[in-house]
Amino acid sequence: QSVLTQPPSVSGAPGQRVTISCTGSSSNIGSGYDVHWYQQVPGTAPKLLIYGSTNRPSGVPDRFSGSKSGTSASLAITGLQAEDEADYYCQSYDNSLSASDFVLFGGGTKLTVL
Amino acid sequence: QITLKESGPTLVKPTQTLTLTCTFSGFSLSTGGVGVGWIRQPPGKALEWLALIYWNDDKRYSPSLKTRLTITKVTSKNQVVLTMTNLGPVDTSTYFCAHLRHPFDVWSAYDYWGQGTLVTVSS
Repeated sequence: QSVLTQPPSVSGAPGQRVTISCTGSSSNIGSGYDVHWYQQVPGTAPKLLIYGSTNRPSGVPDRFSGSKSGTSASLAITGLQAEDEADYYCQSYDNSLSASDFVLFGGGTKLTVL
Repeated sequence: QITLKESGPTLVKPTQTLTLTCTFSGFSLSTGGVGVGWIRQPPGKALEWLALIYWNDDKRYSPSLKTRLTITKVTSKNQVVLTMTNLGPVDTSTYFCAHLRHPFDVWSAYDYWGQGTLVTVSS
């Protein structure tokens, strides 16, 4: 089954900018499917951060932004804050199996605020 | 305001069948385009998409789990039910249900999530 690859961990100091990558393939991100991003504090449900690759739901600070190019996508967080420390997941869609398409999540990235 | 809540057993024996119920409010599965999905997360691991059901009873499943999953809806009760057969220890996970943000689009994000329910598979 296809995968979306994320770095296991990233870190940054308060106020800094960090990016989290999500690398897919021609059967998912490269096929033009949107990428969505979630933030999950351990022990809680995921929270939607970015949808449609670049859009923020209302209430999500503009410190969070998303981009997509080719077979990859990225989540950028500027002005890092202690409260941003969490796990981050990307989501896309895959059409590599002829019989059925499916939703795909990345392996997750743990963000540590130093 | 949209809310979802999962319910079901917390402990299941290997080979048994798991039935989870998602009870929601703030939207209706009788409205065109609406969808509710199930996603699970083993302890300390990543999210895994399981299934999705639409207002019109169209259903989608994870290819790797398709033979073991059944998703149904009880529109009058605002509920979605997920059944998983032949459970094993690897199925120990927190199971979430979630609301599909964009009507009709199976590739849409999920904008509202339940709190999740931890299911442990052990004898």
